[in-house]
Amino acid sequence: EVHLVESGGALVQPGESLRLSCAASGFTFSTYWMTWVRQAPGKGLEWVANIKQNGGEKYFVDSVKGRFTISRDNAKNSLYLDMNSLRADDTAIYYCARQRHRNGWYQDYWGQGTLVTVSS
Amino acid sequence: QSVLTQPPSVSGAPGQRVTISCTGSSSNIGAGYDVHWYQQFPGTAPKLLIYGNTERPSGVPDRFSGSKSGTSASLAITGLQAEDEANYYCLSFDISLTNSVFGGGTKLTVL
Repeated sequence: EVHLVESGGALVQPGESLRLSCAASGFTFSTYWMTWVRQAPGKGLEWVANIKQNGGEKYFVDSVKGRFTISRDNAKNSLYLDMNSLRADDTAIYYCARQRHRNGWYQDYWGQGTLVTVSS
Repeated sequence: QSVLTQPPSVSGAPGQRVTISCTGSSSNIGAGYDVHWYQQFPGTAPKLLIYGNTERPSGVPDRFSGSKSGTSASLAITGLQAEDEANYYCLSFDISLTNSVFGGGTKLTVL
């Protein structure tokens, strides 16, 4: 059974940094693209970033470019999101998801999410 | 302002049929990219409901169906049940952004 577990969410001040982790199990992690999606409180879903199987390709939503980095460790079946220069509008639940390709991208399995709150 | 436009809310009585629209443009749905749909209950992660415009993952009831035409797509729910009350999101790929893009979401209320 596919299982994704996010961790690392916290309350941080504007301008600070945070690393989110996602532990994957139940599938061959190294053979899938992976994605981060976020959801601000009471708002809709926003695709944030994704990374190819070997880490060689990465894409980001414009609002996080230059501030967030996505990476993975296939030996540890883990996905990461390094967030720098955090802003209040980065406050959200961050979901890790497995990506599939079908004439575009979509996510078939999701973790339960981890909450990031940026506030002074 | 989402790249994909959904109605904020729809409603229907038990047993009825409802549809949720998802309108895009020539850089996403109209460019031929597939549309996918998610169901989300408050406080839980989204669940894949429809992928590849019309396909249902294993375990999703056939009361849920998807379609796509031109720059729009639709999710139809027949035989509406109280347990269908949730938020629904469409997703596609936008070539001009090189990103996946979600619709703003639609809250389904079962009357």
